[in-house]
Amino acid sequence: DGGITQSPKYLFRKEGQNVTLSCEQNLNHDAMYWYRQDPGQGLRLIYYSQIVNDFQKGDIAEGYSVSREKKESFPLTVTSAQKNPTAFYLCASSILASAVQETQYFGPGTRLLVL
Amino acid sequence: AQSVTQLGSHVSVSEGALVLLRCNYSSSVPPYLFWYVQYPNQGLQLLLKYTSAATLVKGINGFEAEFKKSETSFHLTKPSAHMSDAAEYFCAVSPGGLHNNNDMRFGAGTRLTVKP
Repeated sequence: DGGITQSPKYLFRKEGQNVTLSCEQNLNHDAMYWYRQDPGQGLRLIYYSQIVNDFQKGDIAEGYSVSREKKESFPLTVTSAQKNPTAFYLCASSILASAVQETQYFGPGTRLLVL
Repeated sequence: AQSVTQLGSHVSVSEGALVLLRCNYSSSVPPYLFWYVQYPNQGLQLLLKYTSAATLVKGINGFEAEFKKSETSFHLTKPSAHMSDAAEYFCAVSPGGLHNNNDMRFGAGTRLTVKP
């Protein structure tokens, strides 16, 4: 079955620690996205990538970093510079970033908690 | 820039009653509009989308939405609520024209509760 997988489901971060969230898709989609979801605020875009080895900042990129070395994978690192990382993180993909009517497909999410 | 406002962060209906979730958008160009559903601790699943074809869009699970340009609205409805409809619903807007999908904007969400 094609889809998007995210791991881990829950992640705990200690003060000053960098943590990496995994996102993998086998849909052969070009574009991938990372969103942060906080209660009552909907989804906010952190980073997106339209093609391998290229990515762009979204609305709230500070304190986060990404890489896109393979088409299937778009990991997100939450760095120690992100002072309020507790949130639900969602990864999504779409066939072509240039086609605005294309549906974004979402993974199951990773909940990040600070110890 | 485009934006979405979902009126009512919580909506409660009885099982079998009409479901109406409100979404108003703002866009400087003709928009594409989406409704997604999210069950607890899960990702978002597409219910339906409007892409400038028919103004009445039918989606999965008996939901439908009507694009009304004059009212800048895209409200989601279902004639008869089922217990399994309890979830959070998000409206999203993307600009039409030569824009990238990274310009999609989501509303704050509406939590639907269905009472037996």
